[in-house]
Amino acid sequence: EAGVVQSPRYKIIEKKQPVAFWCNPISGHNTLYWYLQNLGQGPELLIRYENEEAVDDSQLPKDRFSAERLKGVDSTLKIQPAELGDSAVYLCASSPGGKKSDTQYFGPGTRLTVL
Amino acid sequence: AQSVTQLGSHVSVSEGALVLLRCNYSSSVPPYLFWYVQYPNQGLQLLLKYTTGATLVKGINGFEAEFKKSETSFHLTKPSAHMSDAAEYFCAVSESLDNDMRFGAGTRLTVKP
Repeated sequence: EAGVVQSPRYKIIEKKQPVAFWCNPISGHNTLYWYLQNLGQGPELLIRYENEEAVDDSQLPKDRFSAERLKGVDSTLKIQPAELGDSAVYLCASSPGGKKSDTQYFGPGTRLTVL
Repeated sequence: AQSVTQLGSHVSVSEGALVLLRCNYSSSVPPYLFWYVQYPNQGLQLLLKYTTGATLVKGINGFEAEFKKSETSFHLTKPSAHMSDAAEYFCAVSESLDNDMRFGAGTRLTVKP
């Protein structure tokens, strides 16, 4: 069974540029999460989807961040414009759904460097 | 709101020695507790989790953790460290079915030959 796929694995951009991250969850997983992981810290939830509905986006900085999961499968996280402080690893995770505390399966992450 | 404190950002042990990684949580309701491991340049992988029932939970790679309600702790142990155990370990807590996981800051485990 394929795991959670994320691309790109690494991205280097200049500040004020836009950037997008893509995530393909495990087949059949209804719940999808985007996390932000700063260096030396644990992951922090940005947004959670149940199918195509964003059910928890309270921690998503909506002035510059946006996310979508149009068909309830793949998801894209966008930052526009990027700031120096956005440099971090962006993790995607998925779970079968139904229970928020069910096991989450993580992708390898996208490491963003903003110059 | 729930929170997690991992005592010790870095732990170093010799190969074959006991591994003990500490985790204390704060939760207003019976918690769900998790330990994840993260190898360099990889995503997090679930080691074990406590939901209900037996308080001693066994996970993958020989790790286990014990839920102690009176101490609000969920420490991770392994009797004998291997070089391959070197990684970052994260404890996480979730309050039943209505909250998402909250992660600790992580503990980096180094295993010396």
